[in-house]
Amino acid sequence: GESVGLHLPTLSVQEGDNSIINCAYSNSASDYFIWYKQESGKGPQFIIDIRSNMDKRQGQRVTVLLNKTVKHLSLQIAATQPGDSAVYFCAENNAGNMLTFGGGTRLMVKP
Amino acid sequence: IAGITQAPTSQILAAGRRMTLRCTQDMRHNAMYWYRQDLGLGLRLIHYSNTAGTTGKGEVPDGYSVSRANTDDFPLTLASAVPSQTSVYFCASARDPGDGYTFGSGTRLTVV
Repeated sequence: GESVGLHLPTLSVQEGDNSIINCAYSNSASDYFIWYKQESGKGPQFIIDIRSNMDKRQGQRVTVLLNKTVKHLSLQIAATQPGDSAVYFCAENNAGNMLTFGGGTRLMVKP
Repeated sequence: IAGITQAPTSQILAAGRRMTLRCTQDMRHNAMYWYRQDLGLGLRLIHYSNTAGTTGKGEVPDGYSVSRANTDDFPLTLASAVPSQTSVYFCASARDPGDGYTFGSGTRLTVV
């Protein structure tokens, strides 16, 4: 299904390699950040989050890094698998009532 | 299984018709949101509700209305559909405003 944009930045990686997806956020007051994964035809799915009092958080095969100095967030996926192919969105909360979403990056995993 | 349910999954609608997209969550989340997702435009917020009985306008509210009579349900109504409302609509909920969202699986709406 065509549930996301056709003109997204695309990262193409070989199966088994590590992937790094980057996100620049806009508001220095943001204190909570989330990465979402959206597979074709599905809704966004929560992957991992991090609060501004941390600079690194690890999950299963995923790590989020936060650099508040340059307002940069990254998602690292270890040993990328074909099932990781999707669009990845970062989201930030600047102490408001809702999240602000980035435009997304398409990850394509080559077998 | 706890989660958020949207209905219908897809719909083709004649222009000028009224349509309500349904959204129900069983997680007792206080906050709920409606987004539309279009090619090249990402997720855009239509309306939101921080708690039952309250609603607010998002980035693209024109042509849409919502209600939040109880915690679980957050229907989105198109009073008179137009082709520019062709999109994929996602409902989301959060335990509290600003927390991480749980998204539904979406409704693909085509207005012809």
